[in-house]
Amino acid sequence: DIQMTQSPSSLSASVGDRVTISCRASQSISSYLNWFQQKPGKAPKLLIYAASTLQSGVPSRFSGSGSETDFTLTISSLQPEDFATYYCQQTYSPSYTFGQGTKVEI
Amino acid sequence: QVQLQESGPGLVKPSETLSLTCNVSGGSISNYYWSWIRQSPGKGLEWIGYIHSSGNTKYNPSLKSRVTISVDTSMNQFSLKLSSVTAADTAVYYCARVPSRGWLVFDHWGQGTLVTVSS
Repeated sequence: DIQMTQSPSSLSASVGDRVTISCRASQSISSYLNWFQQKPGKAPKLLIYAASTLQSGVPSRFSGSGSETDFTLTISSLQPEDFATYYCQQTYSPSYTFGQGTKVEI
Repeated sequence: QVQLQESGPGLVKPSETLSLTCNVSGGSISNYYWSWIRQSPGKGLEWIGYIHSSGNTKYNPSLKSRVTISVDTSMNQFSLKLSSVTAADTAVYYCARVPSRGWLVFDHWGQGTLVTVSS
């Protein structure tokens, strides 16, 4: 199985901050990387796919970058509705594993 | 706007079979892949498998021996069966849609249903 490791596990930030979340794959996954946002009691919501392509309807303050084993999700200016847990997922190998999550809190 | 809704028993006994159904509304089940994903405190998010409306399936190798996903296009729904369950299968189970073409993306999700495995 491909292991996905996110860092940090949690972070504290303020409205307006630039936030960066990292995701590392245990082997190369090219650009087969999704990012999701999850709020308590809700299903995950797709933000970015193919490492850097913004899903329709997602605000442009979200961006993704990276390839092979190292990926980054950036929120350029944190908004109140962005406080949530973020997950990366590889879709290169059919276990399609997720990272353990990064909780963004005040 | 497509909507997905999971349904099924919230409590399953150990060694029995977990059965869930996902009803798809607001769009056709045809020409898409349909997936099951679960989330537990211990293992986080875990992809279980998916099925195409044509019936082709792919399962997570770690669960393959216990999983069956089926589709009923006439009812616009698909189903999950997970056999020989243990407490480790306690989780919130989500169904999700995957477009047939392009990148593998889980673009619409159900709200999730909690299944507890306990005697």
